[in-house]
Amino acid sequence: ILNVEQSPQSLHVQEGDSTNFTCSFPSSNFYALHWYRWETAKSPEALFVMTLNGDEKKKGRISATLNTKEGYSYLYIKGSQPEDSATYLCALLYAGGGNKLTFGTGTQLKVEL
Amino acid sequence: SQTIHQWPATLVQPVGSPLSLECTVEGTSNPNLYWYRQAAGRGLQLLFYSVGIGQISSEVPQNLSASRPQDRQFILSSKKLLLSDSGFYLCAWSVGSGQGAYGYTFGSGTRLTVV
Repeated sequence: ILNVEQSPQSLHVQEGDSTNFTCSFPSSNFYALHWYRWETAKSPEALFVMTLNGDEKKKGRISATLNTKEGYSYLYIKGSQPEDSATYLCALLYAGGGNKLTFGTGTQLKVEL
Repeated sequence: SQTIHQWPATLVQPVGSPLSLECTVEGTSNPNLYWYRQAAGRGLQLLFYSVGIGQISSEVPQNLSASRPQDRQFILSSKKLLLSDSGFYLCAWSVGSGQGAYGYTFGSGTRLTVV
């Protein structure tokens, strides 16, 4: 059973604050890491797919980094806005595991005015 | 463009009753299809996935089954629901090739409450 851990479990920040959270995973047989944003009453939405050690991806105010050797990824949000409030999920694909994502339990972000 | 439809949105069923949740994908061929469940306080757990018609892999021993009667249709079923089957069920698809290179696209989900 793969253990994908996300921290913190929940986070409250003020509008305008920058924040980051972590996804930790076993580094052996790594193939790809996905980040998703899941807003209440909506479907999870893919943010990034990362495959290479040292990858950095950016989409607007959100960016992510990947370290496959030590088994972690960071998601950063610059200048948080209330619309960033959501649960952020990371998920892992492993070589030989088929096209099956294993999800972490998520970080629930609440951005307050 | 590709779209994914999942229904019903909410369902309240008594213990021991049958279940059928349906998911269909439009605008793509030969997708990989998945059923996930989020139980209260837990992350998304993969229940079943399918790489083609009639091909189903089960990830977790349980009271549920899945079928793929057509290329873009994925059905989750149970003959007799248990209280522990309550949760939020999500269907998803991904491209059938290029493993891991593309994100999954999720349906809108079904909130199942077994009473």
